[in-house]
Amino acid sequence: DAKTTQPPSMDCAEGRAANLPCNHSTISGNEYVYWYRQIHSQGPQYIIHGLKNNETNEMASLIITEDRKSSTLILPHATLRDTAVYYCIVRVVDYGQNFVFGPGTRLSVLP
Amino acid sequence: EAGVVQSPRYKIIEKKQPVAFWCNPISGHNTLYWYRQNLGQGPELLIRYENEEAVDDSQLPKDRFSAERLKGVDSTLKIQPAELGDSAVYLCASSVRTGASTDTQYFGPGTRLTVL
Repeated sequence: DAKTTQPPSMDCAEGRAANLPCNHSTISGNEYVYWYRQIHSQGPQYIIHGLKNNETNEMASLIITEDRKSSTLILPHATLRDTAVYYCIVRVVDYGQNFVFGPGTRLSVLP
Repeated sequence: EAGVVQSPRYKIIEKKQPVAFWCNPISGHNTLYWYRQNLGQGPELLIRYENEEAVDDSQLPKDRFSAERLKGVDSTLKIQPAELGDSAVYLCASSVRTGASTDTQYFGPGTRLTVL
């Protein structure tokens, strides 16, 4: 079973920041938080991951609360191409372990 | 750098027919995964290979599904015979161990199977 809870859907205006929440209240100390997204008819695409510190890359920022029980993925300036299903996944720090995907959040970026 | 390649992209067959999917992982990636994604759900792991060895096939329905990765590079997933419930997208992913203890899996575009 997935260890995360995400809202099933969200809307965001084009050009605005999209903030996608994820609850992972049972996360263990050796589990990372990963975010993937899946655009229609494509395979999942890696976005970002983190353990306890906030992370930023060219795609997004990941904010993890101090108690690590929740996190937020931030797309700073959403575009229409960011419309996708976003998956938040917690995963042990062990090479090769599979990702357990939940249903994710369907983000619709509106013009 | 080329991504994970899968073929065919789409396949329509009648039930009880066999079907095969092919995957070519990213060059140098020794770990290969097959996932199945049902409509409206997230992907679920079927099998994981480390080089040519299947190290986790606990979720693979072995009565009708088989997979191989003979030379530790390309892989084939087969269903024989296919059933209506096998209609799904079959995703291949690959990863490589780096100096860090964690890894990132890169997914192909998937094969959409429709069983009639």
